[in-house]
Amino acid sequence: QKEVEQDPGPLSVPEGAIVSLNCTYSNSAFQYFMWYRQYSRKGPELLMYTYSSGNKEDGRFTAQVDKSSKYISLFIRDSQPSDSATYLCAMSGGNDMRFGAGTRLTVKP
Amino acid sequence: GAVVSQHPSRVICKSGTSVKIECRSLDFQATTMFWYRQFPKKSLMLMATSNEGSKATYEQGVEKDKFLINHASLTLSTLTVTSAHPEDSSFYICSACTSGSCHEQFFGPGTRLTVL
Repeated sequence: QKEVEQDPGPLSVPEGAIVSLNCTYSNSAFQYFMWYRQYSRKGPELLMYTYSSGNKEDGRFTAQVDKSSKYISLFIRDSQPSDSATYLCAMSGGNDMRFGAGTRLTVKP
Repeated sequence: GAVVSQHPSRVICKSGTSVKIECRSLDFQATTMFWYRQFPKKSLMLMATSNEGSKATYEQGVEKDKFLINHASLTLSTLTVTSAHPEDSSFYICSACTSGSCHEQFFGPGTRLTVL
């Protein structure tokens, strides 16, 4: 079992839809959870950063962490074509940091 | 804040030559920088962790003599791909963190290396 599992997609939604992206993990030592957005041929850009369990909201983006289930989510409301990118989850704890494979999202106008 | 640059953004070289990639933290001091490799439609693969003033720590399976890392200052780390071969063609991305815990990493824009 991989330490971090993320469905690579691709995921295609119409503009305005709510998007749900998810990752599961196996290492219970992970305490910090991040979501990165990566446009084609660019470096990842930090979107959301959460410590331990709970929700965090930033504009149209909401990150959720459920440590009991080892499951994290990123929700995008009112999705826009500019949200089309690959979304990578990442998590760290101690000296260990792991990335998911990334989910490719396309928002169609 | 927390801007990381990489140079060059794209490089094409002949097999057998060496290529140097620079990673700079522009508005903060980075005690730790990371070098990743990314294949198409794949996730980031950590190659090495670079701490200023000390030797880099390489991940298992990464040849340290092939991928030379130098972190000479708090704002600059370099990755040199020595005697490059076509299989080294990839997207190389660096990241840096602003604190010792490094739970947040800020990424550079990446360098596309093509070895002919």
